[in-house]
Parts: sequence; structure tokens; C-alpha cells
Amino acid sequence: AQSVTQLDSHVSVSEGTPVLLRCNYSSSYSPSLFWYVQHPNKGLQLLLKYTSAATLVKGINGFEAEFKKSETSFHLTKPSAHMSDAAEYFCVVSGSSNTGKLIFGQGTTLQVKP
Amino acid sequence: DTAVSQTPKYLVTQMGNDKSIKCEQNLGHDTMYWYKQDSKKFLKIMFSYNNKELIINETVPNRFSPKSPDKAHLNLHINSLELGDSAVYFCASSQEMDQPQHFGDGTRLSIL
Repeated sequence: AQSVTQLDSHVSVSEGTPVLLRCNYSSSYSPSLFWYVQHPNKGLQLLLKYTSAATLVKGINGFEAEFKKSETSFHLTKPSAHMSDAAEYFCVVSGSSNTGKLIFGQGTTLQVKP
Repeated sequence: DTAVSQTPKYLVTQMGNDKSIKCEQNLGHDTMYWYKQDSKKFLKIMFSYNNKELIINETVPNRFSPKSPDKAHLNLHINSLELGDSAVYFCASSQEMDQPQHFGDGTRLSIL
């Protein structure tokens, strides 16, 4: 069965400093992995997607993530945080049987301090 | 133009009532979904439809009934609302079942 664990429920950074949001996954096959962002009172927006092409995936708004099979990780990074990055971030793995089912992590709240 | 739109945005009602949430997408996608987000922000899929056919039906009480009149619409009807139904419900769509999903802004359901 597929599962995903976000290692930090809350991350706080200063504006202009790097962001690291950690995610480990478990999958019985080569998974599709996603990062979504949710701003307050909004729906989820896709940041980036990994589907077994390049292991380093670039997304929107300067975010990127690296797929590391040996570590079963898919951490999200950004070199320099912006105030507008403050939001909830979800690491997501595709479920089995190609039904479109997504399995969400518990979410990480990113706080950006001025 | 809103890609995935849900109505209403807020829904406050009493226990025992029946209510519906509507969802429409103008992206031309084949697949639509309903998710529930609880008070701890945990998201779980409830249903998915592909070309009006039910694909995913997770362990959801049968008080919840999705209806897809056409590919662009997936509505959610809830009978006999209970306190535990209070949550944010998100509709989403994707071109095909293995493609990224686009989410609506959610419907916040509060049961009094």
C-alpha cells in the first residue's frame, strides 16, 4: 500500500532564507509524487510532479523537489522564502491501480517571518 | 475564469437536514473527484467519476451520494447530516485519471 509521511507539521523560516519541507513515501511500485500548496480558504494548487523522468523536479514559484529512491524521500526546497510562500504544503503519492486516487500527507504549515 | 467552481462556498445547517454541494469544471476534463478535509487539515478522497462512471467509492456512509449529470459536473448530496460531517469539501478534476488534479476553493460545511 502507498503512504506518505511529512516529517514536520510546522516549519518556520525568515524571509530570504532557504525552505526545506521533508517528505518520505512508501510504495510497492514506482510512484507518482506531487507537492500541493494550500493558501488560507483556498483550494490546493499543484507545485510540482514527479513521474519517473528526471529525479530533480522544478515547479512553480521557485520550488523544486528531488526524488531519492534509496532514501524513499521527496523533499521540497526553495532557495529563498518569500512572505507569500506562507501556506499549508501537502506531499502526495498516487494510489495503486491508476484510478487517480491520491494519498495525502498530513501537511506542513510553513510560516515565513519578516 | 474559474476552472473548478463549487457552490456554495459556505453552508451552515442543522443536524438531520439534507443538503447538496455543486461542482462544475470548464477545463474539459474527463475525471472529477470529491475530497473531505477535516479540522486537522487531513485530506481524504471520497469519490471519483470518469466520463460519468463511478471509479472510486471510498468507505463513505451511504448518506453521501454523488451525481454526475455530465462530464463537467459532479454534485454531492448528503442526507441526514451529522455533526461529524462538518468539514471542508473539495471538488477536483483531471484530464485523465493519472494526470494532475485541479481543485476548487472548497465548501465549508458546518453542522449546528
